[in-house]
Amino acid sequence: EVQLVESGGGLVQPGRSLKLSCLASGFTFSNYGMNWIRQAPGKGLEWVASISSSSSYIYYADTVKGRFTISRDNAKNTLYLQMTSLRSEDTALYYCAKGLGFAYWGQGTLVTVSS
Amino acid sequence: DVVLTQTPPTLSATIGQSVSISCRSSQSLLHSNGNTYLNWLLQRPGQPPQLLIYLVSRLESGVPNRFSGSGSGTDFTLKISGVEAEDLGVYYCVQSTHAWTFGGGTKLELK
Repeated sequence: EVQLVESGGGLVQPGRSLKLSCLASGFTFSNYGMNWIRQAPGKGLEWVASISSSSSYIYYADTVKGRFTISRDNAKNTLYLQMTSLRSEDTALYYCAKGLGFAYWGQGTLVTVSS
Repeated sequence: DVVLTQTPPTLSATIGQSVSISCRSSQSLLHSNGNTYLNWLLQRPGQPPQLLIYLVSRLESGVPNRFSGSGSGTDFTLKISGVEAEDLGVYYCVQSTHAWTFGGGTKLELK
């Protein structure tokens, strides 16, 4: 069974940093591209970043480019999102999703940016 | 950047009614490899989204066949043939031909 478990969310002050993790199981992690998608409270879905299976290709939404870094450790079956210079508008539930078609999603980890 | 416009934003239906949701793209979603990367997701209240349909019309494993997708180029439609209570939630189209973009969502409610 495919499982994606996000962690690392929390309350953080504007301008600070936070690193999210997504632990994958139930499939061969190193064979799949992975993604981060976020959802602000009461809002729709926003694509954040994607990374190919071998990390050769990385893409970011314009809203996070230069502030967020997506990475992965295939030996640890883990996807990461390093977030810096956080803003109030980054407040959201952050999901990781398997495959470049978003076939499976985790339950999400909540990031709240507030002073 | 590609913009996906979903209509209607809200849809009220009775159980057993058939409904359709439109997703219109600002650019053609036909990839140079011949595929059209347009998927449909359902997010039930309090849950993460789940994949219903991929590549415009292919039903994800385990998804009931009352769901169907159609379209090409810039115009796409999700149809539910006989709404059931478990179908309530927010439907999103998402494209991955030109990076990734989500539609604004269509909330399906009970009338």
